[in-house]
Amino acid sequence: GQNIDQPTEMTATEGAIVQINCTYQTSGFNGLFWYQQHAGEAPTFLSYNVLDGLEEKGRFSSFLSRSKGYSYLLLKELQMKDSASYLCAVRPLGAGNTPLVFGKGTRLSVIA
Amino acid sequence: NAGVMQNPRHLVRRRGQEARLRCSPMKGHSHVYWYRQLPEEGLKFMVYLQKENIIDESGMPKERFSAEFPKEGPSILRIQQVVRGDSAAYFCASSPGRFYEQYFGPGTRLTVT
Repeated sequence: GQNIDQPTEMTATEGAIVQINCTYQTSGFNGLFWYQQHAGEAPTFLSYNVLDGLEEKGRFSSFLSRSKGYSYLLLKELQMKDSASYLCAVRPLGAGNTPLVFGKGTRLSVIA
Repeated sequence: NAGVMQNPRHLVRRRGQEARLRCSPMKGHSHVYWYRQLPEEGLKFMVYLQKENIIDESGMPKERFSAEFPKEGPSILRIQQVVRGDSAAYFCASSPGRFYEQYFGPGTRLTVT
C-alpha cells in the first residue's frame, strides 16, 4: 500500500527556521516532491528529490533518505507569506504511469 | 506562458445534475492529471491522461465519473448525477512528460446542494 505521513500543523516565528518532516511507505520509489499550497489556491511546486541528500533552493531546502523512507523540507528566514500548507508527494515506481501519492499536508502558521 | 487553466472556478449543482470541469494544460504539455481534494484531506489522484488516451484511471470511481482529453480542446472531467459527497475542490495538473514535475491549475470548487 501507499502511506505518506507528515505533521498536521506547525507554528513558527518570523525569521526563524522550521523543518517539516515526511515519512513514506510506497510500492517502490521514483522521486519525492514538495508543494506549497496557500488556502484556496493551487499547489505550487517547490522541490524534487530522487537521490539521497540535500537540495537547496534559496530559502527552501529539501532532504531525502531513501533507506529510511524519510524527507524533510527546511524553510529558513521565515516570512509571514510562508504561512501555507506544505504537501509531501511521492511518485511510486510503476510501469507506464506516474500518479503522485500525496500526504495530507502540514499547515504552517508563521507568527510575528 | 499561461499556466494551467481550469474553468469554471466555482460550480454549484443540485443533486442529480451533471458537472463538467475543464482543464487546459500549459502550452507544450500533453500529460494531464486530475486530483480531488476534500476539506482537511490531501490531494487524491483520480485519472491520468495523455492526448486521446487514458493512461491510469485507478483513482476514479467506476460509476458516474469519466474523463477525456481530446486531440483538440481541453481535458474534461465529467460527473453525472452528482451527490453531496462529490463536493470538493478538483485540481488539474499538467506536465511535459511522464517523469517531470506537475504544474497545477487553480482548481474548480464544486458544491452540490
